[in-house]
Amino acid sequence: DGGITQSPKYLFRKEGQNVTLSCEQNLNHDAMYWYRQDPGQGLRLIYYSQIVNDFQKGDIAEGYSVSREKKESFPLTVTSAQKNPTAFYLCASSIQGQRNSPLHFGNGTRLTVT
Amino acid sequence: AQTVTQSQPEMSVQEAETVTLSCTYDTSESDYYLFWYKQPPSRQMILVIRQEAYKQQNATENRFSVNFQKAAKSFSLKISDSQLGDAAMYFCAYRGGGADGLTFGKGTHLIIQP
Repeated sequence: DGGITQSPKYLFRKEGQNVTLSCEQNLNHDAMYWYRQDPGQGLRLIYYSQIVNDFQKGDIAEGYSVSREKKESFPLTVTSAQKNPTAFYLCASSIQGQRNSPLHFGNGTRLTVT
Repeated sequence: AQTVTQSQPEMSVQEAETVTLSCTYDTSESDYYLFWYKQPPSRQMILVIRQEAYKQQNATENRFSVNFQKAAKSFSLKISDSQLGDAAMYFCAYRGGGADGLTFGKGTHLIIQP
């Protein structure tokens, strides 16, 4: 079955350490996205990518970095510069160029930084 | 930038009753798409229904329907015959002409009373 896999489900890190969240999809989608979810804040866009080797900052990109070396993979690195990294992170993908195409989401990664 | 507002942080309904969740949005675009997503306690994001702005007819998916008022920029979700499995966070989302995915509201927590 096609889908999006995020790993791990739970991640714990010490303050000051960088951490990378994995996102892999086998839906053959060109567009991929990273969202952050905090209680009462909905989903906020961190980064998005429309094609391999290209990505754009979203609304809250500070303290995060991404890469898109393969169509299937869009890892997110939470750097030590991110002031409040503890959150739930969701990866999504969609068909590029079709605005009626919904976003398909992974199951998310809960990151806790202490 | 587009904004999506969900004015009801929490709603409660009796099982088998009907409930309407509100959503308004702000945009200067004429062509766009609107979505409702459900996020149960598992935190998986599930597409409930979508609406194309150019279509006057309101979308319907089984017990879920929308009331789309383009001039008022309103997109409410009606759930008929509420079931215990409908208990979840519901997010309204907007997709316009840009490539940056969806803009989400902050969500409404729906409680189903047995």
